Amino acid sequence: DAGITQSPRHKVTETGTPVTLRCHQTENHRYMYWYRQDPGHGLRLIHYSYGVKDTDKGEVSDGYSVSRSKTEDFLLTLESATSSQTSVYFCAISASSGGTYNEQFFGPGTRLTVL
Amino acid sequence: AQSVAQPEDPVNVAEGNPLTVKCTYSVSGNPYLFWYVQYPNRGLQFLLKYITGDNLVKGSYGFEAEFNKSQTSFHLKKPSALVSDSALYFCAVRDGTSGTYKYIFGTGTRLKVLA
Repeated sequence: DAGITQSPRHKVTETGTPVTLRCHQTENHRYMYWYRQDPGHGLRLIHYSYGVKDTDKGEVSDGYSVSRSKTEDFLLTLESATSSQTSVYFCAISASSGGTYNEQFFGPGTRLTVL
Repeated sequence: AQSVAQPEDPVNVAEGNPLTVKCTYSVSGNPYLFWYVQYPNRGLQFLLKYITGDNLVKGSYGFEAEFNKSQTSFHLKKPSALVSDSALYFCAVRDGTSGTYKYIFGTGTRLKVLA
């Protein structure tokens, strides 16, 4: 398995609290992504990064922010959690070598419940 | 805009029979196409990809996929299904000529192989 870890793996929080999810990779890959997975919606891109301090929005970025200060870490923050953000969150990475069409490798996921 | 469509209904197949999981896509440029599999409580795993060249692509675990440009399809196939193939399958597309780093995923198709 690619060297990707996510923490925490499970979290229960209350509406209105800030939450930070961490993705850590040991592959030195350039691109990192945050997705959420919900029944009937598949995987939807929240934010992605194409280098240190270089990030951009995905299709469901409202209410989320990200930061990448090191190649290996990509943080996803829910500024003020809402029940609609209850989901399973996946981090993914992909390499830049060999072109811009490399496959992604996924972390194990974080199950977040907002009460 | 990029998009991917997968059937919402589950695919049921008897063990030993051939299986097909359908995927159609829409991109404005050259498509880069991917299939991933997700087992329960796990992250997605890469199966295969089409970038260019031969329309029939072979991947992991005996899976293959056929790219059809005229029908904008990339169907996943396996000649002989195993019970262990039961999982959730995702098709994804990336526009190879847009310069974007984004991948768009379908909603996933659940495959059940019956013993």
